[in-house]
Amino acid sequence: ETGVTQTPRHLVMGMTNKKSLKCEQHLGHNAMYWYKQSAKKPLELMFVYNFKEQTENNSVPSRFSPECPNSSHLFLHLHTLQPEDSALYLCASSQEGTRLAFFGQGTRLTVV
Amino acid sequence: AQTVTQSQPEMSVQEAETVTLSCTYDTSESDYYLFWYKQPPSRQMILVIRQEAYKQQNATENRFSVNFQKAAKSFSLKISDSQLGDAAMYFCAYWGTTGANNLFFGTGTRLTVIP
Repeated sequence: ETGVTQTPRHLVMGMTNKKSLKCEQHLGHNAMYWYKQSAKKPLELMFVYNFKEQTENNSVPSRFSPECPNSSHLFLHLHTLQPEDSALYLCASSQEGTRLAFFGQGTRLTVV
Repeated sequence: AQTVTQSQPEMSVQEAETVTLSCTYDTSESDYYLFWYKQPPSRQMILVIRQEAYKQQNATENRFSVNFQKAAKSFSLKISDSQLGDAAMYFCAYWGTTGANNLFFGTGTRLTVIP
C-alpha cells in the first residue's frame, strides 16, 4: 500500500458526464496537490491545499472543481470536460515546510 | 518564474553500465531543492534523490548519484550498474523556498535498459 492512494485508476467519461477523482493520504501530511500530466509536457500544477484551505489555483478552468474536506482527503470534481482534458491526473501530499512530496499512482482520464 | 529543462527525451543504456541524465534549471533564488523522480509504467512518481542547494556535497542513494553544479544551474543524475528495473521516465524537479509552495517539473527523459 502506498502512502497516497488515488481512485479510480482509469476513467472514461463523456463530455456531458459528471465524475469525481479521489485522493487519500495516510502520511499525516497537511498539504495536498493536484497535478495534470499530458504527453510531452511538464507536469502542470492545478491546485494546492494547505490545512484544508486552497492556497493556489493555477488558472484552471471552472469545469474542474477541487474539494478538500479534511487534510487526508482531496477530490477533483469533473463536469462538462473537453477531449483535451484527457490526461493522467496525479495527487501528491507533503508536510508543510519539508519540501518533500509523495505521489499517488494517478488516474488515467479519457474524455470521449 | 522557475523553469526546468531536460534536453534528452530518450536515453538508453546497457544493463550493468552507467548512464547520466541531464537537467538544467533557471531560478533567481539562492536556496532551493532539486529532485529526480522516477515514473515506471505503474505511473506512480517515485522519489529517487533530493539535493538541497545550500549543501555543496552531491547527494547519493545507492546506485544513484547527482552532479550538482549550482553556478551552472545544472543537476544531472548518474545511474551506476543499471538494472532492468531502472527503465522508466525520469523527471527532474525544482522546489523553491520562497514564493510558490510546489514542485516544478521538466518534460522527462525516457530511459531504456538493454539486456
